[in-house]
Amino acid sequence: DAGVIQSPRHEVTEMGQEVTLRCKPISGHDYLFWYRQTMMRGLELLIYFNNNVPIDDSGMPEDRFSAKMPNASFSTLKIQPSEPRDSAVYFCASSFQNNEQFFGPGTRLTVL
Amino acid sequence: DAKTTQPTSMDCAEGRAANLPCNHSTISGNEYVYWYRQIHSQGPQYIIHGLKNNETNEMASLIITEDRKSSTLILPHATLRDTAVYYCIVRVYSGGGADGLTFGKGTHLIIQP
Repeated sequence: DAGVIQSPRHEVTEMGQEVTLRCKPISGHDYLFWYRQTMMRGLELLIYFNNNVPIDDSGMPEDRFSAKMPNASFSTLKIQPSEPRDSAVYFCASSFQNNEQFFGPGTRLTVL
Repeated sequence: DAKTTQPTSMDCAEGRAANLPCNHSTISGNEYVYWYRQIHSQGPQYIIHGLKNNETNEMASLIITEDRKSSTLILPHATLRDTAVYYCIVRVYSGGGADGLTFGKGTHLIIQP
């Protein structure tokens, strides 16, 4: 298996633009997680899905952030409009039930 | 999840055993101890987890004290590639269910040549 795949790996955009981050989980995994990492706040859970259904989105910072999982092999995290404080590394992870989580390589987002 | 306390940083000589401590004095009976690490510019990587018995896998050993208030992750023969931030996480194991991980600041382990 190729592991968790994220795209793009790097994204540079200007304030106010829409940003879409993509994730392909490991085949057969039924949980998908989105995390964000910054120097100030460390690694934070944003939202997670079970069988494509959002379970807990309490970590989503505000309404500008939204996440979807239209099928078992694809998820998106969208920021609209983006702001400089959204600059961070965004990680996607997947797991089968409560087993270990496998993380993707991350998307480094820079909002100018 | 119970809070964990880890040293900010540690050094270890290459080839020696690296022992990373973690305090989790408020751990509950149904909470497991998990260890993940994050090598620079990569996503976190699962290492090992345990409830109350010592555990060993191909990567490391986990020693949990009898009162479960602390644990130690042991990398038996550290290499330069083990330089990373190591996170000790306490979380409930809910059978078939899962939830997100709560990361603290971790321990920055530096392996010296």
